Amino acid sequence: EPEVTQTPSHQVTQMGQEVILRCVPISNHLYFYWYRQILGQKVEFLVSFYNNEISEKSEIFDDQFSVERPDGSNFTLKIRSTKLEDSAMYFCASSEIRASEQYFGPGTRLTVT
Amino acid sequence: AQSVTQLGSHVSVSEGALVLLRCNYSSSVPPYLFWYVQYPNQGLQLLLKYTTGATLVKGINGFEAEFKKSETSFHLTKPSAHMSDAAEYFCAVSSSNNDMRFGAGTRLTVKP
Repeated sequence: EPEVTQTPSHQVTQMGQEVILRCVPISNHLYFYWYRQILGQKVEFLVSFYNNEISEKSEIFDDQFSVERPDGSNFTLKIRSTKLEDSAMYFCASSEIRASEQYFGPGTRLTVT
Repeated sequence: AQSVTQLGSHVSVSEGALVLLRCNYSSSVPPYLFWYVQYPNQGLQLLLKYTTGATLVKGINGFEAEFKKSETSFHLTKPSAHMSDAAEYFCAVSSSNNDMRFGAGTRLTVKP
């Protein structure tokens, strides 16, 4: 069964450093998403991406964040200068069409020290 | 804008008892509704979804939910809880022109 994969599973970085979180969505899906979940809290929408551009972003997704689909398979989230409060679980998801169910990856735990 | 409210951040039931997790939504357009489950240290897994058609939808692991437009609700139920049902449950809403938004989640504890 096709699945969304994410690498790395755990990333530790120092405050101010850049990080890139990687995702491989399901191959025939057209919509891609990033979510954040701070420990013990709700799943928060960050951004959606379709046709090589951002279709929607939340207020969390400020200028420090960017997304890219560098090739036909990967979908990346970059945080330019990490802050302590960026420590969270980051989930990638994909869907066939915009409103259909989303399939989630296992997440990347980002720890900023 | 769409939003979801999950009543009760924690629900505790005994094994074999009825599970009822509440979800109310707000949407100005016909909603698509979802329940996801998150087991510890894992990603989100789809339990069930409502888009159109039958308002009572059945999902995996014996769960079901009923879309009630008049009450703007989509409560999740299971007749008999198992220990393995202990997890975090998230209700979510989307529509044909809106991305998915999640509720705050309900942690289900199952007591032996």
